[in-house]
This record gives sequence, C-alpha cells and structure tokens, in this order.
Amino acid sequence: EPEVTQTPSHQVTQMGQEVILRCVPISNHLYFYWYRQILGQKVEFLVSFYNNEISEKSEIFDDQFSVERPDGSNFTLKIRSTKLEDSAMYFCASRGGAGLDQFFGPGTRLTVL
Amino acid sequence: GENVEQHPSTLSVQEGDSAVIKCTYSDSASNYFPWYKQELGKRPQLIIDIRSNVGEKKDQRIAVTLNKTAKHFSLHITETQPEDSAVYFCAASWDTGRRALTFGSGTRLQVQP
Repeated sequence: EPEVTQTPSHQVTQMGQEVILRCVPISNHLYFYWYRQILGQKVEFLVSFYNNEISEKSEIFDDQFSVERPDGSNFTLKIRSTKLEDSAMYFCASRGGAGLDQFFGPGTRLTVL
Repeated sequence: GENVEQHPSTLSVQEGDSAVIKCTYSDSASNYFPWYKQELGKRPQLIIDIRSNVGEKKDQRIAVTLNKTAKHFSLHITETQPEDSAVYFCAASWDTGRRALTFGSGTRLQVQP
C-alpha cells in the first residue's frame, strides 16, 4: 500500500539556522499539507498546497515558513530562521483528488537548540 | 475558524470493555469528521470517518456517531484489546473549499489486560 514518506526522521539544528523538511506524497495525490505537533499536544495545521500554490495557511505559517514542490514528487517545508518554539514533530499529509481522507507521513522530529 | 473540543483527555478501561470518546465542533459548515489513532512515536493513522449526511458508521469494533444539530460526534470502541491503547484524535473539516483538518486535543486510551 502506498505511503507518504518523510526525511529526515530527526533533525537537530541551532537556533537561527535554516532547515528543510522533505516529504514524498502518495504519487497520484493532488493536495498536500504540513501539520505540526508539539510534544504532548494536538496536531496543528500549518499549510495546504494544491496546483502548485498555497491554498490555505494558518496563523502559525508566518514569513519564516515556505513550501515548495520542486520536482513533481517532493514537497518541502522550509523554516528560514528556526526558533526554540519551532521544536515539534512535523507531519506531511496528502489527499487524492476526489477523496477526503488525508494520509500522514511518519513525521520529522525537529529539535532546535 | 473551527474549534474542536475532545473529552476525556485520558481513558482507562479493562480489556473487553467499551470505550467512548466525545468531540464537539463549533463550525456548522464542517461536514467531514475523521478519527485518527496515533501510537507512541508514530504517524496518525485514519481509522474511521463520517460525513454529515449519515448519523452513524460502523467498521467491526469501531463505530462513529454524529449529531449535527448538537454538533457532537463520538467514537465507540467495543471489546477493547490491549493493542487499542493509543492516543485518539478527532478532527473536523469541510468537503468544499478549505479542507485542512482541525484536530481535537486527543484522548489517551489505556486498555488494561
């Protein structure tokens, strides 16, 4: 069964550094999402992406964040200048054209020191 | 925006008993309500969902009910087993326009053998 994949599984970075989190959505899916989950808390929506553009973003997704689908298979989340409070598990999800079900990747645990 | 409240935050049952987790939502436009199971350190896994055109849906030991008037929906797990132990998240979304998921705060279910 196809799955969403994410790399790396764990990223440790210094405050102020840029990080790029990578996702490979399920191949025939059209809608892509990033969510984050701070340890012990709920999953929070960051951004949705469709037809090569952002379709929706939350208040969390400020100017420090950006997303890109550089090559038709990868979907990336960039944080330009990481802050301590960016430490969280970041999940990518994808959805097919007709279905509503979102399928999550295994997550990238980002630790900002 | 949408707000989803989930109760209880923790639930401990004996193996074989039933477990019920309840959620309320605020946006009457929401019409898609998935439930995700998240085991420790793993990705959220979709286990069941319900659309607003039905009041109940069942899949083996799992059922979900929806009361649109009261804006409540619930997850029912019967004949619980130790492998049902996990954190369960409810979520709400629309099936038109913005389709990001708004999650509840999660319920940690512990099934005691």
